[in-house]
Amino acid sequence: TQLLEQSPQFLSIQEGENLTVYCNSSSVFSSLQWYRQEPGEGPVLLVTVVTGGEVKKLKRLTFQFGDARKDSSLHITAAQPGDTGLYLCAGGSQGNLIFGKGTKLSVKP
Amino acid sequence: KAGVTQTPRYLIKTRGQQVTLSCSPISGHRSVSWYQQTPGQGLQFLFEYFSETQRNKGNFPGRFSGRQFSNSRSEMNVSTLELGDSALYLCASSLAGVWEQYFGPGTRLTVT
Repeated sequence: TQLLEQSPQFLSIQEGENLTVYCNSSSVFSSLQWYRQEPGEGPVLLVTVVTGGEVKKLKRLTFQFGDARKDSSLHITAAQPGDTGLYLCAGGSQGNLIFGKGTKLSVKP
Repeated sequence: KAGVTQTPRYLIKTRGQQVTLSCSPISGHRSVSWYQQTPGQGLQFLFEYFSETQRNKGNFPGRFSGRQFSNSRSEMNVSTLELGDSALYLCASSLAGVWEQYFGPGTRLTVT
């Protein structure tokens, strides 16, 4: 069974701080996606990474796919209260998307 | 473009009853997937429909079923509800497969 482990589970920081969340697996994924989910809403796709070692930037968010395509990280620079939410990684495998359980981020003003 | 819509948004049912949830995908999207989200298990894949055919299925009992219509709209049905079926049910659409999913706001089902 393929699993995606996300860490940390919870993160509470002050506005302006930097943070990194991780998504790890023992399995290789053909692609990996990051989503953000706010309370009462469905997840919103942030980025898809496909190539091992790939780095993508989305304003203050930097996403990296591991060389072996088994892990990924999301780094947020100068976090803002609007970044608060549940961050989910999802791996593509055999026609399914497998989701990690997420990192719940709270950014306090 | 309108997003994915799900109805109803909230539902309360009694154990043993059945329920039908509805999903309208983004216009032009032919793939619709359903997920169950709970605090303990996170987001779990139920099934995916493409052009009215179930293409992939997750590891859920047969009480969970779905269908897709010719206009790509989809429904999922849960029969003989159990307390453990209480969850947020999310529908997602995409152009051709499960990659890059666009999610609806979900239906919050509570089973009492």
